[in-house]
Amino acid sequence: AQSVTQLGSHVSVSEGALVLLRCNYSSSVPPYLFWYVQYPNQGLQLLLKYTTGATLVKGINGFEAEFKKSETSFHLTKPSAHMSDAAEYFCAVRSYTGTASKLTFGTGTRLQVTL
Amino acid sequence: GAGVSQSPSNKVTEKGKDVELRCDPISGHTALYWYRQSLGQGLEFLIYFQGNSAPDKSGLPSDRFSAERTGGSVSTLTIQRTQQEDSAVYLCASSRDPRGRREETQYFGPGTRLLVL
Repeated sequence: AQSVTQLGSHVSVSEGALVLLRCNYSSSVPPYLFWYVQYPNQGLQLLLKYTTGATLVKGINGFEAEFKKSETSFHLTKPSAHMSDAAEYFCAVRSYTGTASKLTFGTGTRLQVTL
Repeated sequence: GAGVSQSPSNKVTEKGKDVELRCDPISGHTALYWYRQSLGQGLEFLIYFQGNSAPDKSGLPSDRFSAERTGGSVSTLTIQRTQQEDSAVYLCASSRDPRGRREETQYFGPGTRLLVL
């Protein structure tokens, strides 16, 4: 079975500060990893994904994540937070049940950006 | 192009009533998923449809939950005899084809917020 752990259900940063949202995964096979963002009362939007190849993945809105196999991590970062980044962020791993390809999500991290 | 759409956006019902939630996937997407997002449970997989294959129902929490997908497009999630613990946001997602592809992105709809009184 595959699983995802997000450390910190709430993270608060000042505008302009570094954003670091942590995600660790557990997988018996090479994982496909995703970060989604959810703004209030909206669905999930894909930020970025790692499948194979380059371990540093760049996404939308200036976010990036680095796949580190040795640490089983896929942390999300952004050099400078903006007020509009306030949202909930979900890390997910793709897993299989039979022929299905469902996403297994972490519990989410709510990012607060303060002035 | 148009994204995944869901209706209704909000639904309030009384305990014991049946509800139907609708999902229109992105045109051309053969795979369709339902997830549930609730307090304390996070995002949970419910059911998966792929083309004409039998659906994967492994995530359905009870036999009160069922789903169908007509014509390989629109899907309806039905909850019978609703309970208060069914209150949640029900999210639908679609993707082109997860099989044989190195990449898969699931595109999510805005969700249906269900409140059972």
